Amino acid sequence: AQTIHQWPVAEIKAVGSPLSLGCTIKGKSSPNLYWYWQATGGTLQQLFYSITVGQVESVVQLNLSASRPKDDQFILSTEKLLLSHSGFYLCAWSPLGVRSQNTLYFGAGTRLSVL
Amino acid sequence: GDQVEQSPSALSLHEGTGSALRCNFTTTMRAVQWFRKNSRGSLINLFYLASGTKENGRLKSAFDSKERYSTLHIRDAQLEDSGTYFCAAEVYQGGRALIFGTGTTVSVSP
Repeated sequence: AQTIHQWPVAEIKAVGSPLSLGCTIKGKSSPNLYWYWQATGGTLQQLFYSITVGQVESVVQLNLSASRPKDDQFILSTEKLLLSHSGFYLCAWSPLGVRSQNTLYFGAGTRLSVL
Repeated sequence: GDQVEQSPSALSLHEGTGSALRCNFTTTMRAVQWFRKNSRGSLINLFYLASGTKENGRLKSAFDSKERYSTLHIRDAQLEDSGTYFCAAEVYQGGRALIFGTGTTVSVSP
């Protein structure tokens, strides 16, 4: 069975500090991976997607970056946090092409508070 | 087969009129969410329902997990209601998962 693990569960960070959020998927080779950001109020916003190692596409510019160093790992990071980065970050994977409607499997998420 | 069947695929409305979108589920779902896709490709959450109905302005949604369907009603349609609407069924498959419908493209004309 596939499992998706996100870390950390929650973070409280200062404005201007760096951030790194991680996501690993076990039990599925070559998954499509996504980073979503859920702002207060419920907008589920796709930030990045990746279909293979080393290849990441940016969907929305939020002064964040993402990398896929391994087939089963997706990292979201920034060198300088902004207040607007606060929210709930969700990693997800899907077994089909990124452009098709399919099932998204979400991690438990990371709640980020930037102060 | 597809677990979420969304209809219609396209809907044309005149301003001031209304209609409904529907999602049928092939199995019992925990909850349903309705989204509208904005011009940047983000999914704007419209409703989250575990049961019953919810209303927000000119939009109203219902979810019947037993009968396996959900509806989104648009009344008094306005031009800004144009866009693509998605339902997504929430299931638990070793973690939270959303199964998306294929979308309904709504076009509102004067």
